[in-house]
Amino acid sequence: IQMTQSPSSLSASVGDRVTITCRASETINNFLNWYQQKPGKAPKLLIYLASSLQSGVPSRFSGSGSGADFNLIISGLQPEDFATYYCQQTYNSPPITFGQGTRLEIK
Amino acid sequence: QVQLQESGPGLVGPSETLSLTCSVSGGSITSYYWSWIRQPPGKGLEWIGYIHTSGSTNYNPSLKSRVTISLDTSNNQISLRLSSVTAADTAVYYCARDLVPNYYYYGLDVWGPGTTVTVSS
Repeated sequence: IQMTQSPSSLSASVGDRVTITCRASETINNFLNWYQQKPGKAPKLLIYLASSLQSGVPSRFSGSGSGADFNLIISGLQPEDFATYYCQQTYNSPPITFGQGTRLEIK
Repeated sequence: QVQLQESGPGLVGPSETLSLTCSVSGGSITSYYWSWIRQPPGKGLEWIGYIHTSGSTNYNPSLKSRVTISLDTSNNQISLRLSSVTAADTAVYYCARDLVPNYYYYGLDVWGPGTTVTVSS
């Protein structure tokens, strides 16, 4: 299953609301997870099963979608949110596949 | 809390076998799926495969002929072996644990810091 994220990069300002989209090449039910990765660091799980917020993750992060189309929404960007975001499908394994990433930059 | 640490040679010659170990501290490795993921320089994440503490494994078909993931439960370690490496295998290699025991689809909530492996002569 191919995972396509859009946009590939995004410029936004502190306080903005941003949406990152992930589309699967076929239906994956809700088996979709989101990660945040900062330079030189391991990815961090933000959202699992499309819409469940991982423990300790700020509530400004939310996920939605099912089937083949999913969104990661950040409401009220904070300086520490500028990073690269990846979606991951776990519906059809093997292989588990990641999207190509969305780089979120400061405007 | 559970912590992971990858270790192994930072430089591997072409056609040789890459061998890495993930050491788990602060908890047991039993009842979880343990994954290896890699990230080539400047690129995205690629899932290599996982192992459950029952011994069942699943590998990325693109790497399956060259990959072996194994467990050492007595030492709380997970190992990765990748044979016949080329420059395309140069990457940061991560080990990670799934969020929920006995399930592989809830996402990877505990990660090691990663170890950089360069394939070069």
